[in-house]
Amino acid sequence: GAVVSQHPSWVICKSGTSVKIECRSLDFQATTMFWYRQFPKQSLMLMATSNEGSKATYEQGVEKDKFLINHASLTLSTLTVTSAHPEDSSFYICSARRTGTSYEQYFGPGTRLTVT
Amino acid sequence: AQSVTQPDIHITVSEGASLELRCNYSYGATPYLFWYVQSPGQGLQLLLKYFSGDTLVQGIKGFEAEFKRSQSSFNLRKPSVHWSDAAEYFCAVGAMSEYGNKLVFGAGTILRVKS
Repeated sequence: GAVVSQHPSWVICKSGTSVKIECRSLDFQATTMFWYRQFPKQSLMLMATSNEGSKATYEQGVEKDKFLINHASLTLSTLTVTSAHPEDSSFYICSARRTGTSYEQYFGPGTRLTVT
Repeated sequence: AQSVTQPDIHITVSEGASLELRCNYSYGATPYLFWYVQSPGQGLQLLLKYFSGDTLVQGIKGFEAEFKRSQSSFNLRKPSVHWSDAAEYFCAVGAMSEYGNKLVFGAGTILRVKS
C-alpha cells in the first residue's frame, strides 16, 4: 500500500505557457501533500505544503503566483507552473502523508519538466 | 534550524563488500529519522525509519541503520552490496515548522557498485 502517482511523468512546454502536474495518492487518504523541486545532482528542495481544503503554504523564496497549488480532495493535489520559463525546467516530485500520521511521506515518481 | 549532513557525495564499493553511509543531523528534540533511496529519474523509496525504541532499525532490501544520540548520527549499513543497490541515498529528519511537520533532507550520497 501507500502508492503515489504523478502525471505526466515528463512534459515539454514552450516558454510562456502553463503546465499542470497531478499528484494522486492511490490507496490512502492524504490530508497533506508536499511539492519538491530537484535540480540535477542535488537534493530535494521543499517548495510548498499542500493541505486539503485550505491554501498551500510556501517555503521562503518560492513564488506562490508562479507555482499554483490546489489540493481539492484527500487524494489529489495539483501543481501548476504558470508562464513557464526555461529556468523552471526541473524534476518536480510530490509526496503524500497519510492522514493521521506525523512525518512519514510517500513519494511519487516525479515529473520532468522541460521548458523550451 | 534543523539540518542534515551527509559528508560523502560519492561512495564506490565492490559488489559483495559492506557499506556504510554516514548521516549526521541537527535537531533539538527527539528526531524522527529516515533513509530514502532514489534511482535515476525516479521518486524516493523509503528504506527505513526511526521514531523511537530500539536504536538499530531494520529496513527493506537488507539495509539497517543505527541511531546514536550521542553522535547525532543515523548511519545506513548493508553487510553485502549488490549491483542493484547503485543509486542515490538521502537521509532526512522530520522537523516541526509553523506550517506543520516536514522533512529536511541531506544532500544525498551517490553509491556506485563495481563488479
